[in-house]
Formats: sequence, C-alpha cells, structure tokens
Amino acid sequence: DAKTTQPNSMESNEEEPVHLPCNHSTISGTDYIHWYRQLPSQGPEYVIHGLTSNVNNRMASLAIAEDRKSSTLILHRATLRDAAVYYCILSYRDDKIIFGKGTRLHILP
Amino acid sequence: ETGVTQSPTHLIKTRGQQVTLRCSSQSGHNTVSWYQQALGQGPQFIFQYYREEENGRGNFPPRFSGLQFPNYSSELNVNALELDDSALYLCASSPPTGAAYNEQFFGPGTRLTVL
Repeated sequence: DAKTTQPNSMESNEEEPVHLPCNHSTISGTDYIHWYRQLPSQGPEYVIHGLTSNVNNRMASLAIAEDRKSSTLILHRATLRDAAVYYCILSYRDDKIIFGKGTRLHILP
Repeated sequence: ETGVTQSPTHLIKTRGQQVTLRCSSQSGHNTVSWYQQALGQGPQFIFQYYREEENGRGNFPPRFSGLQFPNYSSELNVNALELDDSALYLCASSPPTGAAYNEQFFGPGTRLTVL
C-alpha cells in the first residue's frame, strides 16, 4: 500500500486558516487521496477526497499538487471543534483504507 | 436516518476468552469494514464484508473472524484473546458500490480491555 507522511502535530489559532500537509511520493495513478478526522472519543469521520483536481466541500478544501506526490487539507477558518487527529490516506476508491498515525491538530483560543 | 451503531460500548475480558462485537450499518449500506485502534495509533484495517462475503483482509490472524447478515449488520469475533487485543474496535459502513466513490461512515467503537 502506498504510504503517506504527515507531521505528528500542528497548532493553529482559532478563526485562522489551517493548512495540513501530506506527502505521498509513491502514489499510484488509481489512488484516491482521502482525508478523515477523528474527534476525541469518536470514530473517524470523512472530510474530503480527491483524485487529481482540487476539491472543495462545506468542511474543507483539498489542494493536490500537479504531480500528485503531495496534498494539503485546508480548513478555512478553524474553530475549537476542529481539534482532532487528521488522517491522510491513499487507496483505490473507498476500499480498505489504511490509516497512518495522522496529524494531531491543536486549536488555540 | 440512523447512523452506524456498535454494541457493547465497553467490554472487559480475560486472556484466552472469546468475544463477539456487533455492528449495525447505516440504512442502505451493504459494505461493512472493521478496524482495530490501539491507544495513540491510527485504526488498522481488519477485514471488510460485502453482501455477506469477506471482501479483503488486513494483517490479522485467523482468530479474528467475522460475519455479515442478510440485513447487512455484522459481527466481529475474536478467539483466544491476548493482552494486545485491548483496543477500540471500529465498524464502518458504506453504501452500495456503483458510485465513483463511497465514503465510509464510522460507528463510535467498542472499547475492549483484556486482562
């Protein structure tokens, strides 16, 4: 399975944008880039996914490098509720997603 | 619409015992995946069931087994429990394939402690 590399932790101030990086230099042509997040004491929840083009939804934006070897999850205006572990995952479609350790995001009030 | 539910919430067992964890998938979802999450780690894929058949398995020994029922609910069975089996067990369901992409919907998990 293709691997991803994420920082262990990041901090951001409330109401400011947050850019969460992910490196995936061994990504294959059919791999989707998924982001899930896990709030404290909850199961993971889907955030966004993409294949080649940048994507936006109500939760976040996903910026994908032209060579697809890296991507960035963008939270436009962080709130305290966005404090969570964010997982960047590669897999074909939704099959058998393999989580890494993720990035623990701390939001400072 | 009811989300993914899991039972029990917490469970304590002793080494060598057997345990069954249960998952009710979200309405209309026919694919269920199970994950094990040790403390401080990301979830690890155990296996996936699609239409009552195992559809892929992670690096877990055969004492981890599962079932999916006609109503698409699912069970995870673990035999001969070991201390390292202590973890949060997560179930995730996803809707019928055919769409280009299906996100997985996770339940809150079952916390298993093995003493």
